[in-house]
Amino acid sequence: NFMLTQPHSVSESPGKTVTISCTRSSGSIASNYVQWYQQRPGSAPTPVIYEDNQRPSGVPDRFSGSIDSSSNSASLTISGLKTEDEADYYCQSYESSYWVFGEGTKLIVL
Amino acid sequence: QLQLQESGPGLVKPSETLSLTCNVSGGSISSSSYYWGWIRQPPGKGLEWIGSIYYSGSTYYNPSLKSRVNISVDTSKNQFSLNLRSVTAADTAVYYCARHILFVHMVQGDPTLSGWFDPWGQGTLVTVSS
Repeated sequence: NFMLTQPHSVSESPGKTVTISCTRSSGSIASNYVQWYQQRPGSAPTPVIYEDNQRPSGVPDRFSGSIDSSSNSASLTISGLKTEDEADYYCQSYESSYWVFGEGTKLIVL
Repeated sequence: QLQLQESGPGLVKPSETLSLTCNVSGGSISSSSYYWGWIRQPPGKGLEWIGSIYYSGSTYYNPSLKSRVNISVDTSKNQFSLNLRSVTAADTAVYYCARHILFVHMVQGDPTLSGWFDPWGQGTLVTVSS
């Protein structure tokens, strides 16, 4: 089975743009869709990106997703950072009847 | 609006069975479009998918937990349940239930299963301790 590797934490200032990476350990990142979830402290995760780059209803267009086959990774980009974006972010994908989450990235907006 | 709510004991003794139920409201668990899943999160750690079930009883399980897990569904009560046997302290976690959106899409001409989780229940903390 594969793993999804994320940076432990990233930090950026309000108004700036930040990108969180998610690297697949084996198999192609393009072989299955990648999703991204936001988890604020004490709350359940909520999806912010599904099917690599689609935003669920209600998620602002400051959130965008992409994949890069050359680095075998997916990325979540958040522009115009707000303090409310401070949270943990998890990527998620699938292979062979097995759904996998990344280890999570703590986004600090300071 | 679909809502999910976990319920069950917050404390389980080592070697015993952890049992949780997820009640689904605002929609039918018998919808042909969805599976229903369990995910857990140890304190301060990341998310781990446990398994998912269709209303017909068809299941997918995480291979690392498969020998100890059973997920069942009760369509008459619009709920599904998790049983995890022979628990240890390593099973201490917040347990979430979620709707598991599964679908088939084409990748380089081959049909491929995919899926994601939405919405989630609020989660319930289960501590394994004597």
